[in-house]
Order: sequence, then C-alpha cells, then structure tokens
Amino acid sequence: DGGITQSPKYLFRKEGQNVTLSCEQNLNHDAMYWYRQDPGQGLRLIYYSQIVNDFQKGDIAEGYSVSREKKESFPLTVTSAQKNPTAFYLCASSTPGGQGGSRRENEQFFGPGTRLTVL
Amino acid sequence: LAKTTQPISMDSYEGQEVNITCSHNNIATNDYITWYQQFPSQGPRFIIQGYKTKVKNEVASLFIPADRKSSTLSLPRVSLSDTAVYYCLVGPRGYNKLIFGAGTRLAVHP
Repeated sequence: DGGITQSPKYLFRKEGQNVTLSCEQNLNHDAMYWYRQDPGQGLRLIYYSQIVNDFQKGDIAEGYSVSREKKESFPLTVTSAQKNPTAFYLCASSTPGGQGGSRRENEQFFGPGTRLTVL
Repeated sequence: LAKTTQPISMDSYEGQEVNITCSHNNIATNDYITWYQQFPSQGPRFIIQGYKTKVKNEVASLFIPADRKSSTLSLPRVSLSDTAVYYCLVGPRGYNKLIFGAGTRLAVHP
C-alpha cells in the first residue's frame, strides 16, 4: 500500500534535548511538508521541500531543522531552541495536479502524526 | 493567498444534511477551492475540490456561486462518524503553501 508513515506516534522529550521525527513516503511524490498543530488550532507550516536537497522555511521554522537527502524521506528535528515544542506534528506529501495519478490540484496526503510532549 | 472565513463550530443530528459555508472574498482567478476533513489525532484528508459551479462525489457536494466569493460544503445525511473538523482552503494550481485556518468543528449528535 502506498502512503506516508510517521514515527514514533508518541514522543516524550526532556527540556533542552533535540529530537528527530521521522517521515517516509512511498508515493513517489516530489514535495513534502511538515506542519505543527496545537490543540483546537489549525495546521501551521514549518518547512516544505519541493525537490531533493532543497527545502524552504514555512511560517514557523524557528527552532526546527529539516533535511531532504532522499525523495522518500523528510525528517524534522525539533531543537532545544524551540521554546514550546509540545504539539501534534504532521507530515504530508504532494504531487502536482495531473501528474503521478493525482488529478486534484494541490492535494496533500498526510501521515498519521507524531504527538510530541516535552516533560 | 485569499483569506478564508468559516464558522468555528456547528452542531447537527444524525440523518440531517449539513452545509458549511466558507467565505473567500479575495479569491483570485486561478484559485481552486478545496475542502479537507480531519478526525481527532489524525492528519487531514482531501474531501472535495472545485473551481466553479457544483461538484459532487461520493462523500460530499461543493456549491460555488458565479462570483466565487464563497463556497458551501454539503454533507448529506450525516452520521456520528462525520464528527470532525472541516477546513476550507483556497490556492492556485501548484501552490505548495496551503493555509489551514482553524476550520469548522462539526459535532453530530445521536
């Protein structure tokens, strides 16, 4: 089955520690994204990558870092510089409309999410 | 990107039709209107998309008036499993920075 996987589902971190969230997709999508969601709020874009070895900051990139060394993988590191990292983190991927089987414009496919709690 | 406005929450009962309206007064000529659904502790999933007039699929219908300044997501005969947050997004083809606002929290009651 094609899809996006995120691991772990739950993650606990002590203050001052860096932690890396995994995101893998086998949909052959070029673009990948990381979002953060706080309780009762919408999704906010952290970073996105449209192609391997390239990525751009989203609206709330401070305290986060990413890499895109492979098409299938887009890990997110939450650094100690992120002051309030407790949140639900979602990874997504997309392909341009009309390509790769998707006829829908701007459709993003989401993973199951990782819930990060700082102790 | 066009700003969208939708109700914060709605309540309905099983078997009723639910209409959620989204306002996007500044929609651009090449913008598409897309709706996503999100269940608790899950990622959003695509429901329906349209450019103008009416679009229908197995899950929902999307009504877009001629001026495209608003759109209405219609869910026929809702069930308890339709309890979720529904997001209205507006953006041009190929634009990667989708803006998810707070969405509309739909609660379906028995």
